[in-house]
Amino acid sequence: GAGVSQSPSNKVTEKGKDVELRCDPISGHTALYWYRQRLGQGLEFLIYFQGNSAPDKSGLPSDRFSAERTGESVSTLTIQRTQQEDSAVYLCASSFLGGEGYTFGSGTRLTVV
Amino acid sequence: LAKTTQPISMDSYEGQEVNITCSHNNIATNDYITWYQQFPSQGPRFIIQGYKTKVTNEVASLFIPADRKSSTLSLPRVSLSDTAVYYCLVGDPPSGGYQKVTFGTGTKLQVIP
Repeated sequence: GAGVSQSPSNKVTEKGKDVELRCDPISGHTALYWYRQRLGQGLEFLIYFQGNSAPDKSGLPSDRFSAERTGESVSTLTIQRTQQEDSAVYLCASSFLGGEGYTFGSGTRLTVV
Repeated sequence: LAKTTQPISMDSYEGQEVNITCSHNNIATNDYITWYQQFPSQGPRFIIQGYKTKVTNEVASLFIPADRKSSTLSLPRVSLSDTAVYYCLVGDPPSGGYQKVTFGTGTKLQVIP
């Protein structure tokens, strides 16, 4: 597609439920990144993919968070047993070798009630 | 990873030139400097990237001194629509490798009529 697409754009979930957030990167972009942004805060790195592999998972806040990427395309960020502290905007970005910078999606706003 | 320091906020009147400086004392030889702009409810958007000296595009200019320990983003004749958060980012660009990159808290620019 023309840009990075994230779905859903908004998600309200009850505490304790699992959620899946989806990212469709720009076609051909080999790198994919997930960030978290709490209200009024900067972007917190979560994980990045090089192809389908995730060389660095150190940013994931806890073992309730996991992510995968298939076909060097779509990525899913899963949060199990959500907590209120997980409420934030989750942003996905992609890039390609030789590119200048990252292209971000508009994010998924997650609210845990 | 090189740590960056930016002013938390700045105010400017419409039509004025705005300069936002970022300090990055421990920048590495391979690191580039990239600036992003973020509007509310949107993901960050690439503005400009440079390695040394001066870079200019249709949106902004980026000034980087010889020691590269700081950089200045210059926005000519700002308008109300330039009100946003501006992030300075230091690291290998996507073209150089798949590196974990962390955004700081950015500089919130408020343009006043």
